[in-house]
Amino acid sequence: QQPVQSPQAVILREGEDAVINCSSSKALYSVHWYRQKHGEAPVFLMILLKGGEQKGHEKISASFNEKKQQSSLYLTASQLSYSGTYFCGTEDPPGSSNTGKLIFGQGTTLQVKP
Amino acid sequence: DAGVIQSPRHEVTEMGQEVTLRCKPISGHNSLFWYRQTMMRGLELLIYFNNNVPIDDSGMPEDRFSAKMPNASFSTLKIQPSEPRDSAVYFCASSLRGGYSIYEQYFGPGTRLTVT
Repeated sequence: QQPVQSPQAVILREGEDAVINCSSSKALYSVHWYRQKHGEAPVFLMILLKGGEQKGHEKISASFNEKKQQSSLYLTASQLSYSGTYFCGTEDPPGSSNTGKLIFGQGTTLQVKP
Repeated sequence: DAGVIQSPRHEVTEMGQEVTLRCKPISGHNSLFWYRQTMMRGLELLIYFNNNVPIDDSGMPEDRFSAKMPNASFSTLKIQPSEPRDSAVYFCASSLRGGYSIYEQYFGPGTRLTVT
């Protein structure tokens, strides 16, 4: 039931772009994205609620393809501050056994080098 | 706002001892979540409360774990007796829940538990 994130890790140079994917084996109601820096707590980035919805946060944006049961996080012109581990959290549709809670993926570690 | 407050920040204890982790959610938030994070298992939801009522504790690993939320501003996670495999970082998170949707969660700094 845990969503699958890919890639597991990525190394970038400043200014490069990256895409992190989050896939589920079942229907989703929403997808949440968080970033966690080493030794710190996860910090909220964005929520995608509708199929096909795209949202943006600074130079970080995301899409949610409800039909494909997946979400992608796009990081453009990466900065050193983007380094960290990115987690997607998925929420099941109303009425399901996992209603009202997030199931987090294993995370994708992003390292941005100068 | 001070954010979510957790205590202690670090706890080292011996196997068999009782451990109590504490959490103060953000004022006004009505949902509270306890997570455990390890390298092997990632970020796992243990239990969550809505309006101080436990809704889903299916993630609690076994009867040694218990959680309470006696009021809107305080929650505890207790492990009795503790075992070395309980070593992890435990996060508390709170959010404002309206209707069905899960809103953004604010995480506390975590408690790093080491059981020797």
